[in-house]
Amino acid sequence: QKEVEQDPGPLSVPEGAIVSLNCTYSNSAFQYFMWYRQYSRKGPELLMYTYSSGNKEDGRFTAQVDKSSKYISLFIRDSQPSDSATYLCACRGTSYGKLTFGQGTILTVHP
Amino acid sequence: GAVVSQHPSWVICKSGTSVKIECRSLDFQATTMFWYRQFPKQSLMLMATSNEGSKATYEQGVEKDKFLINHASLTLSTLTVTSAHPEDSSFYICSARSGVGYNEQFFGPGTRLTVL
Repeated sequence: QKEVEQDPGPLSVPEGAIVSLNCTYSNSAFQYFMWYRQYSRKGPELLMYTYSSGNKEDGRFTAQVDKSSKYISLFIRDSQPSDSATYLCACRGTSYGKLTFGQGTILTVHP
Repeated sequence: GAVVSQHPSWVICKSGTSVKIECRSLDFQATTMFWYRQFPKQSLMLMATSNEGSKATYEQGVEKDKFLINHASLTLSTLTVTSAHPEDSSFYICSARSGVGYNEQFFGPGTRLTVL
């Protein structure tokens, strides 16, 4: 079993839709949770960074962490074609620990 | 801020040759740098972690004699793929962390290696 599981999709939605991306993890020691966006042939860029459980909002993006169920989510409101990319969740146990990535979900937002 | 560059962005080489990839933190000092490998439609797999002035720590299954990592300064780390073979063809991505204050990792744009 992988430490971080993520549905690879692909996921295709119309412009303006609300997108829900999810990951589950198995390591109870994980305390830091990140979402990265990766465009084709580019390195990942950090979208959201959350410590422990709770919600965090940044513009059209909302990250949720439920440590009791080991479930993390990213919601994208009013999705745009420019949001089309691969979204990777990542977890780590300590502030200086190594990142463990999910497989990534390929998202396409069509006009 | 927090820009990480990689060079080259892509490289094609013949089997048996060695290839060096550079990773630079442009606007901060990176006490720790990470090297990842990513195969098509797969996630990032950590290869090794390097701290400036120290030997790199390799993940299980990664051959340290094949993937040589040097972190000679606070802004530069290099990955050398020695005696490359077609199975080494992949997307190599580095990331850097300052270790001061906000200690998130910032990723470079990646290097596409194709071994013929």
